[in-house]
Amino acid sequence: AQKVTQAQTEISVVEKEDVTLDCVYETRDTTYYLFWYKQPPSGELVFLIRRNSFDEQNEISGRYSWNFQKSTSSFNFTITASQVVDSAVYFCALSEAATGTASKLTFGTGTRLQVTL
Amino acid sequence: ETGVTQSPTHLIKTRGQQVTLRCSSQSGHNTVSWYQQALGQGPQFIFQYYREEENGRGNFPPRFSGLQFPNYSSELNVNALELDDSALYLCASSPRVNTEAFFGQGTRLTVV
Repeated sequence: AQKVTQAQTEISVVEKEDVTLDCVYETRDTTYYLFWYKQPPSGELVFLIRRNSFDEQNEISGRYSWNFQKSTSSFNFTITASQVVDSAVYFCALSEAATGTASKLTFGTGTRLQVTL
Repeated sequence: ETGVTQSPTHLIKTRGQQVTLRCSSQSGHNTVSWYQQALGQGPQFIFQYYREEENGRGNFPPRFSGLQFPNYSSELNVNALELDDSALYLCASSPRVNTEAFFGQGTRLTVV
C-alpha cells in the first residue's frame, strides 16, 4: 500500500527566509511518480512538479527546488527567499505507474506554510 | 488557470438527499478523477474515468458514482448523503493516465 507522510503540520517563517517542506513516502512499486501541489485558500490544487522514480536529479525552478532521495524515500521541497504569496497548504503526493490502471494520487496530510512580513 | 471548472462552488444538502456535482475538463483530457478532501486532510481518491469508463476506484461505497461524457465533462453523484460526506470535492483532469493532474477549484458540500 502507498503512503505519504508530511510530518510538519504547520510552518511559520518571516519573509525572505528559506523553508524546506519534508515528504517521506512508502511504496512497493519500483516505478512511481511523485508530485507537489500548492493549495491556496481558494481551494484549487496547483500543480508544481512531477518526478518519476528513475530520475533522482534535483530540480530548480526559480525560488523552488526539490530534492529527491530514493535511499531515504524522501522528496523534499525548498522555497528560497519566501514571500507572503507563498502562504498556502502544500501537498506531496505519490502515484504508482502501472500502465493502463488508474493514476490514483495518494496525498499526504499537507503542510500549512504561513509567511509573514 | 487550469482550464478545469466545477459547479456549483458551494452546496448545502440535507442528510439522506442525493447530490450531483459537475466538472468540465480541459479539451483533449480524456482522464478525469474525483477526490474528496475533508477539512484539514489531504484529498482522498474516489474514482477515475478514462474514455467514459470507470478506470479505478478508491475506498468509497457504491453510493458514490460517476459519469464521464464525450464532451470532456463529468459528474459525481452521491446518494443517501451522510453528515461525513461534508467535504471539498475536487475534480482533476489529465491528458493521459499517469500524467500530471490539473485540478478544479472544487465544490464545497455541506450536509446538515
